[in-house]
Amino acid sequence: GAGVSQTPSNKVTEKGKYVELRCDPISGHTALYWYRQSLGQGPEFLIYFQGTGAADDSGLPNDRFFAVRPEGSVSTLKIQRTERGDSAMYLCASSLQGLGTGELFFGEGSRLTVL
Amino acid sequence: GENVEQHPSTLSVQEGDSAVIKCTYSDSASNYFPWYKQELGKRPQLIIDIRSNVGEKKDQRIAVTLNKTAKHFSLHITETQPEDSAVYFCAATGPLEYGNKLVFGAGTILRVKS
Repeated sequence: GAGVSQTPSNKVTEKGKYVELRCDPISGHTALYWYRQSLGQGPEFLIYFQGTGAADDSGLPNDRFFAVRPEGSVSTLKIQRTERGDSAMYLCASSLQGLGTGELFFGEGSRLTVL
Repeated sequence: GENVEQHPSTLSVQEGDSAVIKCTYSDSASNYFPWYKQELGKRPQLIIDIRSNVGEKKDQRIAVTLNKTAKHFSLHITETQPEDSAVYFCAATGPLEYGNKLVFGAGTILRVKS
């Protein structure tokens, strides 16, 4: 019955490495969102899943970023060939309705630092 | 796409005073406007929201107003308390065909001095 769970909470990696960030949404929530938050900024939309499919991936900055949600529950955000500019807090959120009309429940985030 | 601007970026008030944070949006089709509160090191949490068919909504010490003509909405906190100190984000989203992403403002750091 817990809220949105994200792992790892902190990830430090070297430039050029591959990173996976995991999100476990609230049970029963069909909509899942990934956001990126830099220091002093608001969350920036990356991608939205409705069920297993990516309904809107217009926020992914480039083809190094990819996300999956194969069974319509847990999602993984994958970042290839990481760059220092990828350093940020990556927030996952889930929603019961997923139609822009329901509350987003955020996880605690995964802080990524690329050295 | 949607663009949300938020002002001020920082706001300091004395305990007991009121605080007002304002946001403007660009897409006249946007129809849902939530406000999130984020305490230091914590996740954003919804505190109040308003839909485009309503002009004002109130929940105890917080209220939100929406002016669709001018495309702006505001958060009002009355009788501020030290625990209201946090970063507040406004957001907007449009109808289904626009996608379901919330577009957030840059945030307002509210400091309530006791």
